[in-house]
Amino acid sequence: AQTVTQSQPEMSVQEAETVTLSCTYDTSESDYYLFWYKQPPSRQMILVIRQEAYKQQNATENRFSVNFQKAAKSFSLKISDSQLGDAAMYFCAYTPGTASKLTFGTGTRLQVTL
Amino acid sequence: EAEVAQSPRYKITEKSQAVAFWCDPISGHATLYWYRQILGQGPELLVQFQDESVVDDSQLPKDRFSAERLKGVDSTLKIQPAELGDSAMYLCASSRGVAGGNEQFFGPGTRLTVL
Repeated sequence: AQTVTQSQPEMSVQEAETVTLSCTYDTSESDYYLFWYKQPPSRQMILVIRQEAYKQQNATENRFSVNFQKAAKSFSLKISDSQLGDAAMYFCAYTPGTASKLTFGTGTRLQVTL
Repeated sequence: EAEVAQSPRYKITEKSQAVAFWCDPISGHATLYWYRQILGQGPELLVQFQDESVVDDSQLPKDRFSAERLKGVDSTLKIQPAELGDSAMYLCASSRGVAGGNEQFFGPGTRLTVL
């Protein structure tokens, strides 16, 4: 069975600084996708970034980028130039290539301070 | 911008009562998901529909939970009878297809409290 582990329950970053959230996963599949979802307080969950396992190049979306280490089964999220609006729960998630069911980690709560 | 709609946003009920949640996915999205998110944890899939057919309900407690998507559009999740351990956020999501990598769009959720 696939598992997703987020070992940082809470993180804090100052505005304009950079923070990295960690995620590891376990799977025997060769074709899969990895995601970071953001869940702001009292608002719906939204997709931040997606990585296809067969792509060696790390995905980037504006201030958000990932460090995908396939051999180590590691998938960390880097947020650059942090903003107050980045404060939220961040979930790492996995789907196999053949199905869209998401398996989530337990989340990391990110605080952004002035 | 199209969004997934859910109602009610909040529901308080007593143990042994019946509750129902409603979800309207983004138009054109064939796949619909119901997740349960217990406080402090990540969401877990309860049931997945492709059009009106159930694709995965392996984690749905079928003795008390039921879900339907009769016309392949909106969906209802029911709990009868509710138990204290059912207190959680119930999230609905939709996507265009069932293949891995499809972005899922989430609704605001229904927060259930069972007393």
